[in-house]
Amino acid sequence: QVQLVESGGGVVQPGRSLRLSCAASGFTFSGYGMHWVRQAPGKGLEWVALMWNDGSKQYYADSVKGRFTISRDNSKNTLYLQMDTLRAEDTAVYYCARGLYDSSGYLFHYWGQGTLVTVSS
Amino acid sequence: EIVVTQSPATLSVSPGERATLSCRASQSVSSSLAWYQQKPGQAPRLLIYGASTRATGIPARFSGSGSGTEFTLTISSLQSEDFAVYYCQQYNNWPPFTFGPGTKVDI
Repeated sequence: QVQLVESGGGVVQPGRSLRLSCAASGFTFSGYGMHWVRQAPGKGLEWVALMWNDGSKQYYADSVKGRFTISRDNSKNTLYLQMDTLRAEDTAVYYCARGLYDSSGYLFHYWGQGTLVTVSS
Repeated sequence: EIVVTQSPATLSVSPGERATLSCRASQSVSSSLAWYQQKPGQAPRLLIYGASTRATGIPARFSGSGSGTEFTLTISSLQSEDFAVYYCQQYNNWPPFTFGPGTKVDI
């Protein structure tokens, strides 16, 4: 069955960097667009970034553009999120999600359990 | 950016009752709307996409309707496991993909 396992979260000081990983199994990873979605404590869901299945295109939320970089290694079935210049408002649980393309865009079909990133001095 | 709103913020219902949740988009998203369920401490789960298509394994008591800017998620007879937060998400105009703020369904 589809499994997505995030790792790499933790406590980091403002301005520092962190890299998240998402290990995928149970499906052909190279066949799917992959997303990062985050959820601040007690808040709703916010889409962060999308990378196409072949890595040829990436899209970002304005709140992270220029600071975060999504990437993937299809040979390792792994998605990454490089987070630089972190801010307190980046504190959240970060989920990776397998995209499902339907008619005009992507929805989020399968989700990992998430990894918590806390930005605090 | 398309803004998605949901109402009510909280819906209090009893087991066995019908629950109706609303979602509105700031401009037409055609039928490109999904619904998710999230229980405390868990990841969201896809319920409905294309406004009305149930995802694999989702019970028939969950149904979605609407198009354009107005959408509804109906739970025909609430079970104890259905008490959760429900989010809608549009995927017609992107980026960004945008979610509503959620509706909490509680007892």
